[in-house]
Amino acid sequence: EGQLLESGGEVVQPGASLRLSCAASGFGFSYYAMSWVRQAPGKGLEWVSGISADGTRARHIDSVEGRFTVTRDNSANVLSLQMNSLRVEDTAVYYCAKDYGDYAGHDASDIWGQGTVVIVSS
Amino acid sequence: DIQMTQSPSSLSASVGDRVTITCRASQGIRSSLAWYQQKPGKPPRLLIYAATTLQSGVPSRFRGSGSGTDFTLTITSLQPEDLATYYCQKYDSLPPTFGQGTKVEIK
Repeated sequence: EGQLLESGGEVVQPGASLRLSCAASGFGFSYYAMSWVRQAPGKGLEWVSGISADGTRARHIDSVEGRFTVTRDNSANVLSLQMNSLRVEDTAVYYCAKDYGDYAGHDASDIWGQGTVVIVSS
Repeated sequence: DIQMTQSPSSLSASVGDRVTITCRASQGIRSSLAWYQQKPGKPPRLLIYAATTLQSGVPSRFRGSGSGTDFTLTITSLQPEDLATYYCQKYDSLPPTFGQGTKVEIK
């Protein structure tokens, strides 16, 4: 049974940077696309970023384009999300998720981590 | 971007009731639709993918149907442990948008 464990969330001020990590185990990490999905307090789910299995294709939603960068290290089974120029509206629980396929954002996500909390506040 | 609209936003039903949640896409998405269950304080759990395929380990009382623009998640006999918020997600194209969620409460 695969597992995902996120880390890196904390309280930061607007304009700060933060790097989230997601350690994968129990499945062939390098064969699957991975996604970051966030959930603002009391709100629904929002797909933020995704990266293909081989790491060559990464995509983000418009509201984080140019500020967030998703990467992966298939040798270490780690997914990362570099978040720059953070805004108050980026406050959320950030989940990493394994996609069924190898092309980011084009399949359901069958394994989810427990999430890491990012709070952007002055 | 394609928008996903779920209805109702919340419902209350009794144990044993049949519960139906609908999800409508603003454009056709073939069968590229998933349903997730999220219990309070927990991450989402995949229930259904490809509109109708039950994820391994999910009870058979959960059923998905539909294609194109209109989809349905049915819980054939509601159980106390089904207290949760349910989300649809389309994944035919980027971004893979979620519906706004349906909160299911037990009477």
